[in-house]
Amino acid sequence: QVQLQESGPGLLKPSETLSLTCSVSGGSISSYYWTWIRQPPGKGLEWIGYIYYSGSTHYSPSLRSRVTISLDTSNKQFALKLTSVTAADTAMYYCARGVATTGLWFDPWGQGTLVTVSS
Amino acid sequence: QSALTQPASVSGSPGQSITISCTGTSSDIGGYNYVSWYQQHPGEAPKLMIYDVSNRPSRVSDRFSGSKSGNTASLTISGLQAEDEADYYCSSYTSSTTLIFGGGTKLTVL
Repeated sequence: QVQLQESGPGLLKPSETLSLTCSVSGGSISSYYWTWIRQPPGKGLEWIGYIYYSGSTHYSPSLRSRVTISLDTSNKQFALKLTSVTAADTAMYYCARGVATTGLWFDPWGQGTLVTVSS
Repeated sequence: QSALTQPASVSGSPGQSITISCTGTSSDIGGYNYVSWYQQHPGEAPKLMIYDVSNRPSRVSDRFSGSKSGNTASLTISGLQAEDEADYYCSSYTSSTTLIFGGGTKLTVL
């Protein structure tokens, strides 16, 4: 079955750029919405954005000015870049496969990677 | 776009049924059949439980069911079991073509 695995630095300083990669195994990249979602410690989930396999992207309005999601189909990976991070960006970052039927839902999810922003 | 509104906590005894509500607006829940529900155990990633309001992945127990009325969606768990104790999140597509989540509900099995 499809599995997703996040990777990237776990500690950043304020103003740096967060860069994470999600590797997809056991399934196709095609026809899905490859998504990033984050969860601050002890808080709820926040949708960051997605990239469709065709390359089109869609981002949360609150993060749009700082976010870029890209896709490497040959290596079955997609990436998240978030610029000018602050302590408010400290969170567990999940990648997930978005499936569009009537709506858009996420399954499966990666195990998550904790990113801490601290000076 | 504000988060969907969920109760902070619900509880029930083993064997009982509980319902978790998720309230939005006509711009999200009320306008589309795009509601999904996720279960998250401590220290784990969320798992899909319900999609498109009331559809259940084959791996999910039929004790879990979803519904919607107006601007409020609901997740019902029947025959409550200890393993159901977890956080539950609802999600909906919006008229702004974004995705929003509820604040999460902590289910305690007494």
